Amino acid sequence: QKEVEQNSGPLSVPEGAIASLNCTYSDRVSQSFFWYRQYSGKSPELIMSIYSNGDKEDGRFTAQLNKASQYVSLLIRDSQPSDSATYLCAVRGDYKLSFGAGTTVTVRA
Amino acid sequence: DGGITQSPKYLFRKEGQNVTLSCEQNLNHDAMYWYRQDPGQGLRLIYYSQIVNDFQKGDIAEGYSVSREKKESFPLTVTSAQKNPTAFYLCASSFRDGVYEQYFGPGTRLTVT
Repeated sequence: QKEVEQNSGPLSVPEGAIASLNCTYSDRVSQSFFWYRQYSGKSPELIMSIYSNGDKEDGRFTAQLNKASQYVSLLIRDSQPSDSATYLCAVRGDYKLSFGAGTTVTVRA
Repeated sequence: DGGITQSPKYLFRKEGQNVTLSCEQNLNHDAMYWYRQDPGQGLRLIYYSQIVNDFQKGDIAEGYSVSREKKESFPLTVTSAQKNPTAFYLCASSFRDGVYEQYFGPGTRLTVT
């Protein structure tokens, strides 16, 4: 079983819609969770961090964490063409950050 | 401007040659990391350093070496022992190792032929 799994995608959404990204993790003791956005050919950019159960909102982005179910999600509201990218879920374990393979999102105008 | 710099952006080498990738940060971060990314895959940890003059192997350290002589610098050497060195190499840093967010440099794309 992979340490961090993301919905495989690609995910195509119309402009203005909500994009929903999911991530599950295997290490029950994980305490820190991150979402990175990576444009094609570029390095990952941190867009959200979440440490406690519940929702955390930052602009059009909302991260949701449920430690009991071992999942973390990212919602992108009012999706824009500039949101087209690969989104990486990262989970902090004992000594390292483990990354999912990413979900590619395409926002169509 | 504070940030992480990596050089060069693109690097081409012949098989059998060692190559060193540069990573510098002026964020006053204690911890630094090297990752490798292959097409369609997540990031894999090569080495990390929590403090100057100390570093630990990550998941895929074979064929790589690092040094941490200065807080600001964490160079990665890809040796000829690395069987599949062609990849996108990413350096990251965080305030301290642990819960703190990691921030990435722009990356070095290495091609070995």
